[in-house]
Amino acid sequence: LAKTTQPISMDSYEGQEVNITCSHNNIATNDYITWYQQFPSQGPRFIIQGYKTKVTNEVASLFIPADRKSSTLSLPRVSLSDTAVYYCLVGPYNTDKLIFGTGTRLQVFP
Amino acid sequence: DADVTQTPRNRITKTGKRIMLECSQTKGHDRMYWYRQDPGLGLRLIYYSFDVKDINKGEISDGYSVSRQAQAKFSLSLESAIPNQTALYFCATSEGDPRQPQHFGDGTRLSIL
Repeated sequence: LAKTTQPISMDSYEGQEVNITCSHNNIATNDYITWYQQFPSQGPRFIIQGYKTKVTNEVASLFIPADRKSSTLSLPRVSLSDTAVYYCLVGPYNTDKLIFGTGTRLQVFP
Repeated sequence: DADVTQTPRNRITKTGKRIMLECSQTKGHDRMYWYRQDPGLGLRLIYYSFDVKDINKGEISDGYSVSRQAQAKFSLSLESAIPNQTALYFCATSEGDPRQPQHFGDGTRLSIL
């Protein structure tokens, strides 16, 4: 399974757009990219998933360049409630073995 | 996710004791998982089950056992707890298609003295 690298932490202010980049240089052809969010004392929660180009849902956007060696989770206009740890996972379609790295701890300030 | 319930939410016990953590789900999913999370680290897979008759070891199964009593129930046991098993334990479920996201419970915080 492809190894991922994310920043350990990021700070932002309410109302700003936050972009968290994940590097996955050895991503395989059949790998897809998934992001989870985890609040303190809660289990991770699925945010978004993509294979290439751009994916958008009601919560976030995921940008994946053509070479797929990185991906960027974009959170528009963050609020205090977006303070959490964000995990980037890379793996093939046919696996249940999610590999969570250490994630990115996002702190949003008023 | 309230559809995935873990009990107990917190447990403090002593070295050598047998501990059982329970997970039940109302989502009707076939697949269930147990993970542990240590401070500052990501989640690591302990065991997973595709259905009642299918149990698989994950990344760190030593010292743990599981039982899938029904589609909706998946329990994790520590036969003889040791202090380095102190961690936050999560249960998760997913549909049969592995491309579908996993749904996590709120965790069990286990402390072994």
